[in-house]
Amino acid sequence: EIVMTQSPATLSVSPGERATLSCRASQSVSSNLAWYQQKPGQAPRLLIYGASTRATGIPARFSGSGSGTEFTLTISSLQSEDFAVYYCQQYNNWRFTFGPGTKVDIK
Amino acid sequence: EVQLVQSGAEVKKPGESLKISCKGSGYSFTSYWIGWVRQMPGKGLEWMGIIYPGDSDTRYSPSFQGQVTISADKSISTAYLQWSSLKASDTAMYYCARLVTGGDPNGDPIIYFDYWGQGTLVTVSS
Repeated sequence: EIVMTQSPATLSVSPGERATLSCRASQSVSSNLAWYQQKPGQAPRLLIYGASTRATGIPARFSGSGSGTEFTLTISSLQSEDFAVYYCQQYNNWRFTFGPGTKVDIK
Repeated sequence: EVQLVQSGAEVKKPGESLKISCKGSGYSFTSYWIGWVRQMPGKGLEWMGIIYPGDSDTRYSPSFQGQVTISADKSISTAYLQWSSLKASDTAMYYCARLVTGGDPNGDPIIYFDYWGQGTLVTVSS
């Protein structure tokens, strides 16, 4: 089973600053990596798929990069509505694994 | 507009059975896999399994195989998650989500959950 790790567990950022979140897979997942945002009391929301493609309606301040085992989600200038938990998720051979999440909170 | 609408919160006792639902609308229900995801209180997301309503092909996470049953009724565009004997450890929020299956220019699969239901909170307590 492919294990996903995310770092840091918590990221404290001031509004307007840049946030960089990391996700690592225990073996190559090619570009089969998605990012989701979850706010308290809400369902997850798709942000990025295919490692770098923004989902419909997602602002350009969100960008994804990476392939193989190392991936990054960057939020270029944090807005108040971006404080949330972010999960990465891989697909491989009819198995899906989510990372443990990175909580982005207000510094 | 694509929507997945889940059934309401449930409070059950250990040993009881339960079936929760997820109704899709705004798209061809039989053309997309539906997945189920568990989120225990204060914890992260765990994939449970997926079903293709077109032919009821079902795949389970090894962690949930034998613990739950996933099914679908394509005539009413609804997927289900059921337990035959609940445990306290089944207390969680359960989400359904639509699975998009595609490929990149190299032919590698690109697969992700694009639309999510609002969640069903299941509480199991004596």
